[in-house]
Formats: sequence, C-alpha cells, structure tokens
Amino acid sequence: AQKITQTQPGMFVQEKEAVTLDCTYDTSDPSYGLFWYKQPSSGEMIFLIYQGSYDQQNATEGRYSLNFQKARKSANLVISASQLGDSAMYFCAMREAWGFQKLVFGTGTRLLVSP
Amino acid sequence: EAGVTQFPSHSVIEKGQTVTLRCDPISGHDNLYWYRRVMGKEIKFLLHFVKESKQDESGMPNNRFLAERTGGTYSTLKVQPAELEDSGVYFCASSLQGEGGYTFGSGTRLTVV
Repeated sequence: AQKITQTQPGMFVQEKEAVTLDCTYDTSDPSYGLFWYKQPSSGEMIFLIYQGSYDQQNATEGRYSLNFQKARKSANLVISASQLGDSAMYFCAMREAWGFQKLVFGTGTRLLVSP
Repeated sequence: EAGVTQFPSHSVIEKGQTVTLRCDPISGHDNLYWYRRVMGKEIKFLLHFVKESKQDESGMPNNRFLAERTGGTYSTLKVQPAELEDSGVYFCASSLQGEGGYTFGSGTRLTVV
C-alpha cells in the first residue's frame, strides 16, 4: 500500500536561508508521481512542485526544488532563500499510476520563517 | 479562470444534525475529489468522481456520508447524522481528465459539538 512519511512536525528557519523538508514514500508501483503542496493559514492548498518517477532530472520551480532519491524513496522539498510568506504547512503526496488518481498525503510539516 | 470553490468555509453543528458541503470544481474538470483532514493527522482521500460517476469511493468512512455530483458539475457531501469524529477540514479538488495537476479548494472546516 502507498504510504507517505513526513517525520518533521515542525521546522524553523531564518529568512533568506535554505530549508529542507523531508518526505519518504513507500509504493510497489514502478510508476508514480510525487507532489508538494503548501497550506498557508488562509487554508487553501497551493500546488508547489511535481516529480514523476521516471523523470531524470530533479524538478525545480523557482525557489522550490525537489531532491528526488529514488533508491532511498525520498522526495525532499528544498526551499531556497526563505521568505516570511513561506511560513505554512507543507504536505508531501503521492499518486500511483495504476490507481484511480487519488493522492496519498503525509501528515505535513509546519514551517516557521523568522526575520 | 475561477478556482475550486467550497461552501461553506466553516460549519459548526451539533452531534446528530445534518450538514451538506458543496464543491464547485473548475469548469471543464471531469475529475472531482473529496479529501478530509482530521486535526493533526494526514489528509485522507474520501472519493473520486469522473463526471457524475463515482470512480472510487474506497475512502468514505461509513454510510453516514453521501456524495453526489448530479450533472457532472458541482458536488455535495452530506453527513447525516454527524458525529464528533467527523470534525475536520474537508477539501475538494478537481483535475482535467488525463492531466496530472490537481487544484484544491480552500476547504470547509466542520466542527461537530
């Protein structure tokens, strides 16, 4: 069965520094996709970045990059040059290719960016 | 383009009452999903519509939950009768058929007292 594990309930980082949010996953499906979402205090879920299991390169989107280590089944999110507005909950999620497209989420990591 | 809209944003009801949550997906998105996050836990899948058909309802907790998507447009999720453990944030998401991206709504925070 699919499982996402986020072991960091909370993380602190100073403004302008980089931070890594951990995510490990478990699946028996050779084809899958990994997602990161941000949930600010306003509640909406904002898509950040996507990595396909067969993608050769690590995904990047602006200040966000995904450190994808397939053999270790990890998909850590790296936020460079943190900003105060990055304070939020961050969720890692996975979708198996042969499933019905549902996402399986981790428990999330709360990131606090201090001035 | 309008995003995914959920209504209401908050609902407080007494145990035993009925509540109906609504989700308006992005126009043209065939896929509609419901998820729920109970405080401090992971976001869990409830069910998936493709147009008006239930593709996967494996995550529905019990028969007190009824989801509909008449006409393949908006969807409702009814909880009847509500129990204390139903409290949480209910999210709706939509996506195009065959596309990987999901757009989430802002969620409905349900509190059962």
